[in-house]
Amino acid sequence: DAGITQSPRYKITETGRQVTLMCHQTWSHSYMFWYRQDLGHGLRLIYYSAAADITDKGEVPDGYVVSRSKTENFPLTLESATRSQTSVYFCASRDSWDTEAFFGQGTRLTVV
Amino acid sequence: DQQVKQNSPSLSVQEGRISILNCDYTNSMFDYFLWYKKYPAEGPTFLISISSIKDKNEDGRFTVFLNKSAKHLSLHIVPSQPGDSAVYFCAASSRTGGGNKLTFGTGTQLKVEL
Repeated sequence: DAGITQSPRYKITETGRQVTLMCHQTWSHSYMFWYRQDLGHGLRLIYYSAAADITDKGEVPDGYVVSRSKTENFPLTLESATRSQTSVYFCASRDSWDTEAFFGQGTRLTVV
Repeated sequence: DQQVKQNSPSLSVQEGRISILNCDYTNSMFDYFLWYKKYPAEGPTFLISISSIKDKNEDGRFTVFLNKSAKHLSLHIVPSQPGDSAVYFCAASSRTGGGNKLTFGTGTQLKVEL
C-alpha cells in the first residue's frame, strides 16, 4: 500500500528499556521527520533526515537516536526509556520545502 | 523559543457560521505555511497551504490569509460543519532552513456545535 506507515501503533515499555519505533514510506521522499505530540506543546520535532545517511537533531532530541540506511525507512530508538518519553509519536515525509508533509497514524508509547 | 504560535487553545462555533483560526510566527525566514487538521487517534492531515508570495489561497470552504508584515496567518472555514471539529495546527517551513522541516504551533481545538 502506498503511503507512510508506523509500527507499532501502541507500545507499553518499562523505564530503562530500549524501544524502537518504525516508520516506512513508499514515495521515496527525501525528507523524513519524527515528531512527538504532548498536551500544551503541539508537535515538536525530535529528529529529521534530508536523505539516506543524513540526519540532524530537532527541537527535543535528547534520549533518542535515529538512523536512515534506506530512503524509505526512518526508525526512532529510545535508548533507555524514561517516563517523560510517554507520548504520541508521529513520523512524516516530504518531497520539498514547498509541498505538504504526509504523516503516519502515530505510535502511542507509554513508559511505566 | 516558540517560533509559531497559536494563542487560542480552543474555539467554539455554531454550525453554518464562520470559523477563524489564527497563527503568528516570529521567524522572518519562513516562506511556506500550512494548516493541518487532526482527529483523535489519527495522524495530522494536510488541509491547505500558502506561499509567502501570496496573501490568500482558497480551497472550497477553506481560505488561508497571510499578512507577512504582521507575521500572521489565519484559516477561515465557511460554513463550519460538525465534521470540522478537530485540532488545527499551523506550520511553517523555510526554503533555506535545514532539512525542510516543519515548525508547528501548539494547536487550536475547534468545536462546531449544532
